[in-house]
Amino acid sequence: AQKITQTQPGMFVQEKEAVTLDCTYDTSDPSYGLFWYKQPSSGEMIFLIYQGSYDQQNATEGRYSLNFQKARKSANLVISASQLGDSAMYFCAMREGSGGSNYKLTFGKGTLLTVNP
Amino acid sequence: DGGITQSPKYLFRKEGQNVTLSCEQNLNHDAMYWYRQDPGQGLRLIYYSQIVNDFQKGDIAEGYSVSREKKESFPLTVTSAQKNPTAFYLCASSILDWNTEAFFGQGTRLTVV
Repeated sequence: AQKITQTQPGMFVQEKEAVTLDCTYDTSDPSYGLFWYKQPSSGEMIFLIYQGSYDQQNATEGRYSLNFQKARKSANLVISASQLGDSAMYFCAMREGSGGSNYKLTFGKGTLLTVNP
Repeated sequence: DGGITQSPKYLFRKEGQNVTLSCEQNLNHDAMYWYRQDPGQGLRLIYYSQIVNDFQKGDIAEGYSVSREKKESFPLTVTSAQKNPTAFYLCASSILDWNTEAFFGQGTRLTVV
């Protein structure tokens, strides 16, 4: 079974509007971290925001916030006031904390966001 | 400046040849990873290493080999046994902690003709 599911292959948003990118995850480990990365057309992976499984509050980082619903196993990324430079591929990823061999990041297939002027 | 350096950025090879992709980090990270990215597939883990002289297979290790002789370096060899080697390859590193992010290199785009 897929550990990270991103159901939106592509999304469009108008400049200055907010957009939500969906991510659901699957784990039985009580300790895990959820990460969002941005990949522009240049290919580099830019870390955006992190949410830990024990965090009580939703993570925020500038225009990025995470809508973390633990019971539903979802960690949706919200980008407020979209800018043209936000056009990129966005990946959700997870790390499980169940022991020394499990620090690898597992990625979803990504969502391609296009911001229209 | 600390970071991860992958070289080269673009690589062309003839079918049947082995090729080695370089990955160096000066972040003093214990863990290093190699991912492969194909269109519509996201990132898939090839190999990872948490300590010098030790590494584990990821989800798609067949046709690849790695070494970790130094903490800073984690080269990936794409062998002739890899059936479809043309892809974008990303190297990453991190500390050994589940609640911190991994840092990525700029990637190497390998084209086999």
